[in-house]
Amino acid sequence: AQRVTQPEKLLSVFKGAPVELKCNYSYSGSPELFWYVQYSRQRLQLLLRHISRESIKGFTADLNKGETSFHLKKPFAQEEDSAMYYCALFSNTGKLIFGQGTTLQVKP
Amino acid sequence: EPEVTQTPSHQVTQMGQEVILRCVPISNHLYFYWYRQILGQKVEFLVSFYNNEISEKSEIFDDQFSVERPDGSNFTLKIRSTKLEDSAMYFCASRYNSPLHFGNGTRLTVT
Repeated sequence: AQRVTQPEKLLSVFKGAPVELKCNYSYSGSPELFWYVQYSRQRLQLLLRHISRESIKGFTADLNKGETSFHLKKPFAQEEDSAMYYCALFSNTGKLIFGQGTTLQVKP
Repeated sequence: EPEVTQTPSHQVTQMGQEVILRCVPISNHLYFYWYRQILGQKVEFLVSFYNNEISEKSEIFDDQFSVERPDGSNFTLKIRSTKLEDSAMYFCASRYNSPLHFGNGTRLTVT
């Protein structure tokens, strides 16, 4: 089965603290994974894709095939990072499968 | 940067009525999708569309739902007889390769 699990519904941190949003996946073969972000009342925006291995807005994510994880990290959270974050898997039929989403709340 | 556009942003309808949600995908994209998100729940796949036909649909996408690409630029989702449980945010998406690009969504409220 192809599945994405985000175990935390809400993650609340103070400004300047490190952030790690967890994502685990189930997929046989080589997965293509993404992080999307949804700011209040806006569209789902692509934040990161694992194949590009880039850092966007200070966020990084590394694919760990051994642990089947693709956790999203940022060393120092900013208030403007407050949003809903979705981990997503590109299925073998060409659709995105989303996790439940994690709300990141960065407190001043 | 080109964007997927969706209209209307909010639609209120009565139970049993038909609604059509409209989307204009990015112009050179080939694959089109509808997703929905019930308040407080995850983003769920409804249907994918390629080469003028449905390529995959979920169990949610029953006979009450249909999709169409009537004129080469619009991509519509029709719900024939809306139910209360159809109230949700509906997102259109498109892609050429990957990733998917999403529209702002249409909030459908069924009363």
